[in-house]
Amino acid sequence: KAGVTQTPRYLIKTRGQQVTLSCSPISGHRSVSWYQQTPGQGLQFLFEYFSETQRNKGNFPGRFSGRQFSNSRSEMNVSTLELGDSALYLCASSLVLASDTGELFFGEGSRLTVL
Amino acid sequence: QQQVKQSPQSLIVQKGGISIINCAYENTAFDYFPWYQQFPGKGPALLIAIRPDVSEKKEGRFTISFNKSAKQFSLHIMDSQPGDSATYFCAAMDSNYQLIWGAGTKLIIKP
Repeated sequence: KAGVTQTPRYLIKTRGQQVTLSCSPISGHRSVSWYQQTPGQGLQFLFEYFSETQRNKGNFPGRFSGRQFSNSRSEMNVSTLELGDSALYLCASSLVLASDTGELFFGEGSRLTVL
Repeated sequence: QQQVKQSPQSLIVQKGGISIINCAYENTAFDYFPWYQQFPGKGPALLIAIRPDVSEKKEGRFTISFNKSAKQFSLHIMDSQPGDSATYFCAAMDSNYQLIWGAGTKLIIKP
């Protein structure tokens, strides 16, 4: 069974630009969560989608947005990029809502560098 | 404030020794405590998890000890092996079903 696939794996952007990251969950998984990982900060929760609806949202500004498609694939978008947005963005899928089982299956992440 | 404080930030253990990573929390509403393991270049993967109705859970060489009154939980890795070298994250699930993560511990097992 294929794991969680994230694209692109690496990207470099400049301040003020926007970026879209993609995530394909494990087949059959309906929940997709997004996290930002920075050194020393652990994982910061961005949002969770289930059946195309945002079910939970972390404390990030409105520049961070996401969506989920009918095939459970998800995208997240960051507009007006800032230097502090440089991070590894992780996508995680779960069979049902993450709250029900707590087990998340992570992809390898998209490493964003903002110059 | 919802926080999970993890320590130490880094840890070096000799092969065969016991690795111990600690986490503390403040919010008594947390009710699910997983540990994730992350190797370089990979996403985190669930290692072991516990709910507050038990004080200990063991899976192979990995044990979670949970102290509800002290609001602390810890991961013990027995007979640590070089293959255990990774970053370990503790987390806690809050009443909004959101996982709150510790900052991570980089574990190095010396051969």
